[in-house]
Amino acid sequence: GAVVSQHPSRVICKSGTSVKIECRSLDFQATTMFWYRQFPKQSLMLMATSNEGSKATYEQGVEKDKFLINHASLTLSTLTVTSAHPEDSSFYICSAPQGVETQYFGPGTRLLVL
Amino acid sequence: GENVEQHPSTLSVQEGDSAVIKCTYSDSASNYFPWYKQELGKGPQLIIDIRSNVGEKKDQRIAVTLNKTAKHFSLHITETQPEDSAVYFCAASIMGGSNYKLTFGKGTLLTVNP
Repeated sequence: GAVVSQHPSRVICKSGTSVKIECRSLDFQATTMFWYRQFPKQSLMLMATSNEGSKATYEQGVEKDKFLINHASLTLSTLTVTSAHPEDSSFYICSAPQGVETQYFGPGTRLLVL
Repeated sequence: GENVEQHPSTLSVQEGDSAVIKCTYSDSASNYFPWYKQELGKGPQLIIDIRSNVGEKKDQRIAVTLNKTAKHFSLHITETQPEDSAVYFCAASIMGGSNYKLTFGKGTLLTVNP
């Protein structure tokens, strides 16, 4: 299957700092990518849809000024957690569809805010 | 919107036995149903998917069945092995839609005991 990478895999930061997470589709182009958040022992919660060349679409309850998304190219989307706080600690996962349906997920980024 | 229910939440089987995980969906327009396997600390991995024009699909020890009338689909794993232990998520989406959104079930923790 297609390969999606994320960087970094793990990040620890101090409260109040911003953290950028990259998501790349390595062997295909993706005009759309998705960002999810997953708490321990829970399902994936869709945060936003990243659209190349246009603004991201955020799910209800997700603060767009808190979670900045930029789809810089057909293979790269970034999620920036601004002014991170301990409650933002979570596992962040991106996905990208190849073709019209099949979504491939990245390996995830573990964020810990102290 | 779409709602996906998944059962059971935990499943423990002996090595070599079969495992069955069931999901129901609410939106009759959904026509694409993937299954993902997630190991601890990793991103979800697509293991099999089915489209609504097909009733069953097999890939070695894994099979998925779909009943459109009843709006439920199931994952069947035969001859289970310890490496099958993971969390399994079902999902539903509308293939060909403009946003490819997946709605996930809450997940099933499968434990295969040697």
